[in-house]
Amino acid sequence: NAGVTQTPKFQVLKTGQSMTLQCAQDMNHNSMYWYRQDPGMGLRLIYYSASEGTTDKGEVPNGYNVSRLNKREFSLRLESAAPSQTSVYFCASSETGGYGYTFGSGTRLTVV
Amino acid sequence: EDQVTQSPEALRLQEGESSSLNCSYTVSGLRGLFWYRQDPGKGPEFLFTLYSAGEEKEKERLKATLTKKESFLHITAPKPEDSATYLCAAHTGANSKLTFGKGITLSVRP
Repeated sequence: NAGVTQTPKFQVLKTGQSMTLQCAQDMNHNSMYWYRQDPGMGLRLIYYSASEGTTDKGEVPNGYNVSRLNKREFSLRLESAAPSQTSVYFCASSETGGYGYTFGSGTRLTVV
Repeated sequence: EDQVTQSPEALRLQEGESSSLNCSYTVSGLRGLFWYRQDPGKGPEFLFTLYSAGEEKEKERLKATLTKKESFLHITAPKPEDSATYLCAAHTGANSKLTFGKGITLSVRP
């Protein structure tokens, strides 16, 4: 019963470094999402993928790129990390059509 | 622009003291209203989906209701283990994206 698995759970980066956050789901869901969660701001959508082979920008895409590697995996890349990207990042997946999301346990990223 | 607003931001209750959490929404064409629970250091966990005004759903001490402008999460006789952040989200449009409120942090004292 893995659901949505995110790696790593914690990461500290220096300004300007790059990294990729990994996400995989085992529920055969078509849609996958990346959110960031900041105090007082709630969950904000970074990118989403409605189906394998497609990706679209969300509310706060600047500074990020994504890859939908296959139906199971959706990665988020920070090319040149900035302190403003310090946040908790959540990956989620769902069936197409507005069914409830299943979230991963999050990646806590600190950029110094 | 779709907006989801939750109030209050934080709520402190005594064990057994029932109350309600509010989620108001201004969206174009609501297709579903979702409630999630989030514990510290964890991802949100799905609670309920409501699809039409007048619909109600229950789970243990929680009951969610929906009107044309807002949704309520009623908590009856809460226990300390109900302490968490409760998020609501609206589904609109043809894709699967949800618009989330900022959440309500509930603390229940023994």
